[in-house]
Amino acid sequence: GAGVSQSPSNKVTEKGKDVELRCDPISGHTALYWYRQRLGQGLEFLIYFQGNSAPDKSGLPSDRFSAERTGESVSTLTIQRTQQEDSAVYLCASSLVPGQGKDEQYFGPGTRLTVT
Amino acid sequence: AQKVTQAQTEISVVEKEDVTLDCVYETRDTTYYLFWYKQPPSGELVFLIRRNSFDEQNEISGRYSWNFQKSTSSFNFTITASQVVDSAVYFCALSEANNAGNMLTFGGGTRLMVKP
Repeated sequence: GAGVSQSPSNKVTEKGKDVELRCDPISGHTALYWYRQRLGQGLEFLIYFQGNSAPDKSGLPSDRFSAERTGESVSTLTIQRTQQEDSAVYLCASSLVPGQGKDEQYFGPGTRLTVT
Repeated sequence: AQKVTQAQTEISVVEKEDVTLDCVYETRDTTYYLFWYKQPPSGELVFLIRRNSFDEQNEISGRYSWNFQKSTSSFNFTITASQVVDSAVYFCALSEANNAGNMLTFGGGTRLMVKP
């Protein structure tokens, strides 16, 4: 079946502009995660959605970052007034209900964001 | 707080050699999950294995094997008879059961280069 998809695959933006990144999770996966991967580093957790519960935003680095999710489907990650340190690959993952023993996260291909 | 350490940032081997990637974790939870992911040059993370903290049985899957030792808080990954296609960055990750979202804490990754 279809995996996690993300768009765009690459985004180049000027410092100070807003960007919107999109994630389509695997159908039937109720949990959705956003991570950030800076060049040559591991992944940092940003935000988590589970069903209709309030999202866990504990990983968002600043109030310039926000995310929304429509039900149990598409999510958008918005970065306002982008800064050069926001340059990274933004990865989305989805999983079945966490804690139910089938909570492997499946990752999308990522969006490579470059802020000039 | 949870932490995952992959002390080997880069390993280079010649094809057919065996190679072990180290992973050491820290957590206060008694119930947790450990994962390995592969990130090939294409960038997309590929799930390899999930192990829960109550299952210390080692696992073998083809040329891959995993050694989980709670006594040393380690979850090492061995590739037997390495192949060029194994070249990738490998990430070890941890999630804690008392964290409702099961978000992953990643190590910094180990870049494996297999030369022909």
